[in-house]
Amino acid sequence: KAGVTQTPRYLIKTRGQQVTLSCSPISGHRSVSWYQQTPGQGLQFLFEYFSETQRNKGNFPGRFSGRQFSNSRSEMNVSTLELGDSALYLCASSFTGESHQPQHFGDGTRLSIL
Amino acid sequence: GEDVEQSLFLSVREGDSSVINCTYTDSSSTYLYWYKQEPGAGLQLLTYIFSNMDMKQDQRLTVLLNKKDKHLSLRIADTQTGDSAIYFCAELNSGATNKLIFGTGTLLAVQP
Repeated sequence: KAGVTQTPRYLIKTRGQQVTLSCSPISGHRSVSWYQQTPGQGLQFLFEYFSETQRNKGNFPGRFSGRQFSNSRSEMNVSTLELGDSALYLCASSFTGESHQPQHFGDGTRLSIL
Repeated sequence: GEDVEQSLFLSVREGDSSVINCTYTDSSSTYLYWYKQEPGAGLQLLTYIFSNMDMKQDQRLTVLLNKKDKHLSLRIADTQTGDSAIYFCAELNSGATNKLIFGTGTLLAVQP
């Protein structure tokens, strides 16, 4: 069974640009969550999608947005990139979104802003 | 508030036991997790424990939960060099489904 797949693995952008990251969950999983990992702030929750609806949102500015498609694949978009957006972005999926189903993570997309 | 704390670094010799500690603040957390992160990789789920349990054992891994003190620990028996990684504990936020609050991570260095 394939794990969580994130593409691309690496991205280099410049300030002011926008970027879209993709996440394909484990087959059958309907909940997808996104996290940002930086050396200074650690792992922080961005948002969670379930059945194409954003169910929860973390404390990030509106430049960070996402969506989920009917096949449960999810995309995350960051507009007007800032240097501080350089991070590893991790996606996690779980089966039904119920609390007893643990989340499984992908290998992440490493975003570097120049 | 939301805060999960871990010690930053632990060094052990190969074959010894490792104990990684974590304290959390949300007394309503239902599940607590341990994840492992190797260089250049994502998070690998190691194990998790429901809050009404005191202990869970899974092969070389033993999780102990002291709910009164909000203290969680992960013991790795017979630690191997392949266990060298960063270990994160995480609590499931009681107010938002599937929102994990992570600790700062503990770097485990295993000396041969």
